[in-house]
Amino acid sequence: EDQVTQSPEALRLQEGESSSLNCSYTVSGLRGLFWYRQDPGKGPEFLFTLYSAGEEKEKERLKATLTKKESFLHITAPKPEDSATYLCAVQAHRGGYQKVTFGTGTKLQVIP
Amino acid sequence: EPEVTQTPSHQVTQMGQEVILRCVPISNHLYFYWYRQILGQKVEFLVSFYNNEISEKSEIFDDQFSVERPDGSNFTLKIRSTKLEDSAMYFCASLTVNTEAFFGQGTRLTVV
Repeated sequence: EDQVTQSPEALRLQEGESSSLNCSYTVSGLRGLFWYRQDPGKGPEFLFTLYSAGEEKEKERLKATLTKKESFLHITAPKPEDSATYLCAVQAHRGGYQKVTFGTGTKLQVIP
Repeated sequence: EPEVTQTPSHQVTQMGQEVILRCVPISNHLYFYWYRQILGQKVEFLVSFYNNEISEKSEIFDDQFSVERPDGSNFTLKIRSTKLEDSAMYFCASLTVNTEAFFGQGTRLTVV
């Protein structure tokens, strides 16, 4: 069974204090790993897709990396507007269709 | 930019009533999903739909739930007899093989 585990569940940072969020996964037939940002009451907003171990993607203060077992979302010098829940999801081949499994999310709070 | 559209944004219904949640996926996408998120909890998979049939469903997706793609564009989730515990945000998503999953903004279902 596919498993996606995110840690920590919640993270509180001072503005400018860099940190990393972890997403570890157990899945066969991995097609891609996605990072999303979710604001309260809103749908998940796409951030990154990573397809293979060693791949890295960057966007403003965020950088996502991927190994064969986990992905990290690095946040450099965060600002209060980065406060949100960050979701990791894996996409896998399943008998001709694509299964997408989400982790439980990391709720990030950045304090001014 | 293409987007997934969900209607209504908020639905209030009495316990035992039927509700239909509607989604318009991105036009060239092939795989369709419904997820649910109870307030403050994780995103839970309900069902995936491909090639005009259900490809996978979770334990949550019992006989009270059904999905349809009646006209090749809309993708609906029906709950036949709503319960209080069905109150949640319901998200529709679509993807094709070489893209991430695109999510709608969700329908907030409140069962009273």
